[in-house]
Amino acid sequence: NAGVTQTPKFRVLKTGQSMTLLCAQDMNHEYMYWYRQDPGMGLRLIHYSVGEGTTAKGEVPDGYNVSRLKKQNFLLGLESAAPSQTSVYFCASSYGAGASYEQYFGPGTRLTVT
Amino acid sequence: DAKTTQPNSMESNEEEPVHLPCNHSTISGTDYIHWYRQLPSQGPEYVIHGLTSNVNNRMASLAIAEDRKSSTLILHRATLRDAAVYYCILRDTWGAGGTSYGKLTFGQGTILTVHP
Repeated sequence: NAGVTQTPKFRVLKTGQSMTLLCAQDMNHEYMYWYRQDPGMGLRLIHYSVGEGTTAKGEVPDGYNVSRLKKQNFLLGLESAAPSQTSVYFCASSYGAGASYEQYFGPGTRLTVT
Repeated sequence: DAKTTQPNSMESNEEEPVHLPCNHSTISGTDYIHWYRQLPSQGPEYVIHGLTSNVNNRMASLAIAEDRKSSTLILHRATLRDAAVYYCILRDTWGAGGTSYGKLTFGQGTILTVHP
């Protein structure tokens, strides 16, 4: 049981390049989330999914797209990377969205855009 | 969202108990109190949560005030591995438009330093 895994762990992009971050969970969770964390700030929700085939915008969705074609995977795409997207990205999953459910986080992807 | 207030930092010695406070005076009756921690260069990790009663698990204990306007995370014997940022979060289930999606709102948290 690996929990939540993320690939890659590190990536450096040039402005305008594109990339996809992969999140995978093996806990059969319905809910999956992408957050970003910037220095001195808390985590901010980018996009989320409440089940296979569904996605929705979070607090800071601009510049990102997501897909959830399989229940266990949640992909985060950057179509044209900008320096403002330099951040650490965390994926999380949860069995439910009710207030009593906890979220499980991946180890993070550290992205630098030059 | 109901907000929480935590001290910016706290220090402890190894093998001593640590009490991390959190104020949440605007908590609603259905908000659960969650605690997460984030070790250096790692993702957040769930610690414990509760609604009204005190809770214990293998990692920590959660003491909730009778009026629910504050809570305390208790680490019974701090180790060097417990050095982390600890976040007190009120679990917000409902997003805009009434759609349930379970957003977690992270504040600044408390930086816990554990001295050997």
